Amino acid sequence: DQQVKQNSPSLSVQEGRISILNCDYTNSMFDYFLWYKKYPAEGPTFLISISSIKDKNEDGRFTVFLNKSAKHLSLHIVPSQPGDSAVYFCAASGANSKLTFGKGITLSVRP
Amino acid sequence: DSGVTQTPKHLITATGQRVTLRCSPRSGDLSVYWYQQSLDQGLQFLIQYYNGEERAKGNILERFSAQQFPDLHSELNLSSLELGDSALYFCASSVVGGGASELFFGEGSRLTVL
Repeated sequence: DQQVKQNSPSLSVQEGRISILNCDYTNSMFDYFLWYKKYPAEGPTFLISISSIKDKNEDGRFTVFLNKSAKHLSLHIVPSQPGDSAVYFCAASGANSKLTFGKGITLSVRP
Repeated sequence: DSGVTQTPKHLITATGQRVTLRCSPRSGDLSVYWYQQSLDQGLQFLIQYYNGEERAKGNILERFSAQQFPDLHSELNLSSLELGDSALYFCASSVVGGGASELFFGEGSRLTVL
C-alpha cells in the first residue's frame, strides 16, 4: 500500500526552465510534507518542507505547493540548473513523526 | 556532511549469514531511524528508536532487529540473510522523537547478499 506516490519515474528539462515534480498521498492524517534530494553514493538530504496549515513554501529557487483537498503536492525548481540533477523523494509524516517516502523521481537537467 | 555516520559503507556476504550495521547519529540527536532502499523502491521505514527506546516499527522482518545504546549509537542486525535482503540501508537521526521533524541521513550501507 503506497501511501506516498510519485508516479513519474523520471523528468528531463532544459537548463533555465522550470522543473515540476509531483507527489500524491492517500493518508489524510499526514500533516507535514518534505522533499529530499539524493545524489548517487550519498544519503538523501533535506531540501524543503511544508506544513498542512500552509499551501506554499518558498526557499530560493525551490517552492513547494500543497493542495490538501487533492492530496497533492508539487516541487517547483526555477530556474533549473545541471547541479539539480538528482533523485527527488517526496515524504510525508503524521503525528508519530515516521516519514513515509515515495519511490523518487530522477530529474535530469540538460545544459 | 550530515553528521550521521554509518559503517560499513559496503558489505558482501553469503545467504544464511548475519551482519551488523552501525550508525552514529548527529551530536545531540536522540532519535535514530533505519530505512531500507531496494532496487526501484523508495525508502522503506524499518524502525525508530528514541533515547534508547523503540518508538515506531515499520516493515521490519523478524529476522532483523535493532537497538540503540546509551551513547545513542544504533545497530541494525540482519540474520539468516536472503538474496532479497540486498539493499541500501540508511540510518537517519533527528532531535525529536515525535511530531514534524526533518531527518538527517547517513551515506548508507550497501549490503550485497550472494
